[in-house]
Amino acid sequence: QKEVEQNSGPLSVPEGAIASLNCTYSDRGSQSFFWYRQYSGKSPELIMFIYSNGDKEDGRFTAQLNKASQYVSLLIRDSQPSDSATYLCAVNPLAAGGTSYGKLTFGQGTILTVHP
Amino acid sequence: DVKVTQSSRYLVKRTGEKVFLECVQDMDHENMFWYRQDPGLGLRLIYFSYDVKMKEKGDIPEGYSVSREKKERFSLILESASTNQTSMYLCASSLLLRDRGPGANVLTFGAGSRLTVL
Repeated sequence: QKEVEQNSGPLSVPEGAIASLNCTYSDRGSQSFFWYRQYSGKSPELIMFIYSNGDKEDGRFTAQLNKASQYVSLLIRDSQPSDSATYLCAVNPLAAGGTSYGKLTFGQGTILTVHP
Repeated sequence: DVKVTQSSRYLVKRTGEKVFLECVQDMDHENMFWYRQDPGLGLRLIYFSYDVKMKEKGDIPEGYSVSREKKERFSLILESASTNQTSMYLCASSLLLRDRGPGANVLTFGAGSRLTVL
């Protein structure tokens, strides 16, 4: 069973703080790793994805990947109340024959609340 | 922008009814997916399709079937709805961004269909 586990949350941080969201995965063959944000009552929307070990920055968001530890994280700097949402970690496993269809496996999500 | 349109936002059905959930995407994506989302369980893949008339089971296909007669349309069918199929259903399509790294399949989701089975 390919699994993706996220820190259980909910996570509450004050405005302006750094929010840290964590995710571990079990399939060592996983190729790429995604963070989606989902506002209440809305569908998930992509924040960013990463496939190489290390950090990838996009504005206030930084994704970190450590394949040896099978660990991926998302840091949100200068958190804003508008960042309050559920954050979903997703993993793209390596399909048989090396074809990637985009069958993402999602974690259960972490609810983040940023309070003023 | 890619648009993924789900035909119904809210449905209420009776146990035993046949239910059709329709999804249309307008960007010529090869791959389309049906997920269900339940509190505490995240998104779970029901079925996906990588080409017209091609489909594969996901993690929880029992009680569901799908149809993809045209590239832009992917339908989820509940042959005989049951109360444990009450859920939010999310359709998605994906594009492989070949120049952005391995496995860079970006999923775009529809707005979701919330199904209640009584």
